[in-house]
Amino acid sequence: KAGVTQTPRYLIKTRGQQVTLSCSPISGHRSVSWYQQTPGQGLQFLFEYFSETQRNKGNFPGRFSGRQFSNSRSEMNVSTLELGDSALYLCASSWDFQGNTEAFFGQGTRLTVV
Amino acid sequence: AQSVTQLGSHVSVSEGALVLLRCNYSSSVPPYLFWYVQYPNQGLQLLLKYTTGATLVKGINGFEAEFKKSETSFHLTKPSAHMSDAAEYFCAVTAYNTDKLIFGTGTRLQVFP
Repeated sequence: KAGVTQTPRYLIKTRGQQVTLSCSPISGHRSVSWYQQTPGQGLQFLFEYFSETQRNKGNFPGRFSGRQFSNSRSEMNVSTLELGDSALYLCASSWDFQGNTEAFFGQGTRLTVV
Repeated sequence: AQSVTQLGSHVSVSEGALVLLRCNYSSSVPPYLFWYVQYPNQGLQLLLKYTTGATLVKGINGFEAEFKKSETSFHLTKPSAHMSDAAEYFCAVTAYNTDKLIFGTGTRLQVFP
């Protein structure tokens, strides 16, 4: 079956703009999480969604937001982009939120802010 | 609160040598522990996980890890390194009732011929 699909794969934006990233989970998976990966900070948790409800949020400013739709697809939005937002954004999906099931990761969206 | 420490940001081994990547965790609740591998320009792939039960867990590509509660460790090993093992490895922890993964800083494994 198809894996986790993230679109777009690459994105270049200018400071001050906003961006929306999309994640389609594996069919049947209802839990979606987002992570930011940078050389300096490593992998940091952004959000966790299950059945359209945000269950957890990481320590990021309010410029970072997300949502999940009824078909489990998820989007994250970053407004007023800063240079420091340049990163690889990874989405992961799993069957549920119990913690002991495997999270499957997409290939990520590489965002460059100039 | 939970945290993960990976000792050694870079590890180099010769092909055929033992691979040992270290991971220590901190958790106030029973942890679920994971090792993920990341190849360049790719997402993360699960190597193995410990949730409950047997403390020695075997994963893909010949990797295994042992959960040692007394040492709060979950080190990753492979008896014989292969060139294709060169990648970045991440240890992660979570707990019951959440999919929020807390990752270590990663260890880049180089394998020399």
